[in-house]
Amino acid sequence: AQSVTQPDIHITVSEGASLELRCNYSYGATPYLFWYVQSPGQGLQLLLKYFSGDTLVQGIKGFEAEFKRSQSSFNLRKPSVHWSDAAEYFCAVGARAAGNKLTFGGGTRVLVKP
Amino acid sequence: GAVVSQHPSWVICKSGTSVKIECRSLDFQATTMFWYRQFPKQSLMLMATSNEGSKATYEQGVEKDKFLINHASLTLSTLTVTSAHPEDSSFYICSARGLAGGATDTQYFGPGTRLTVL
Repeated sequence: AQSVTQPDIHITVSEGASLELRCNYSYGATPYLFWYVQSPGQGLQLLLKYFSGDTLVQGIKGFEAEFKRSQSSFNLRKPSVHWSDAAEYFCAVGARAAGNKLTFGGGTRVLVKP
Repeated sequence: GAVVSQHPSWVICKSGTSVKIECRSLDFQATTMFWYRQFPKQSLMLMATSNEGSKATYEQGVEKDKFLINHASLTLSTLTVTSAHPEDSSFYICSARGLAGGATDTQYFGPGTRLTVL
C-alpha cells in the first residue's frame, strides 16, 4: 500500500527566505509523485510532478522538487518565498498499478512573515 | 489547460434532503474522475473512483448507497449525497484524469464544494 508522510505540520518562513517542505513516501515500485498547493477554501493546484527521468523537477511559481530514491523522499523547495506562497501544501503519491489513485500526505501549512 | 469546475461551490441543506454536486472537465476528456472529502485542517481522503460508463469504485468505509456517483460522459461526473445529515458536512473535491494529451497520469482538481447540513 502507498503512504505519504509530511513530517512538518506547520512551517513559518520570512518573506524572501528559502523554503523546503519534506515529503517521504512508501511504495514498492517507482511511484508517480506530486506536489499540490491549496489556498483556503479552494481546490488543489498542481505545482509539479515526477514520473521518471531527471530527478530534479521544475514546477510553477518558482518551485522545484528533487526525487531521491535512496531516501524515499520528494522534497519541495523554493529559493525565495513571497507572501502569496502562504498556503497548505500536499505531497501525493500515485501509480498506474494502483489505478492512478492518489494517496496524500497530511499537508504542511506554510505561514509567511513580512 | 486542464481546468476542472465544480458546481455548486457551496450549498446549505436541511437534514434528510439530497444534494447533487457536479464535476466537469472543461477542456479535456476525463475517463476517470475521483471524489475526495476533506475535513477542516485535514488532508484529502479518497471516497470513490468514477469511470465513464461504468459503476464507481468506492473506498473502504464509504457507503455507496449514501454517496451516489454517476459518470455519464467524458466531461461530467456527479456526486449525490442522499439523505444528508450534519456529519456529512464537509468539503468535497473532485479531480479528473485526462484521456490524452499528456495528462493521462495526472489528476487535475476542481475548486471544491462546501456542504453544510443543518
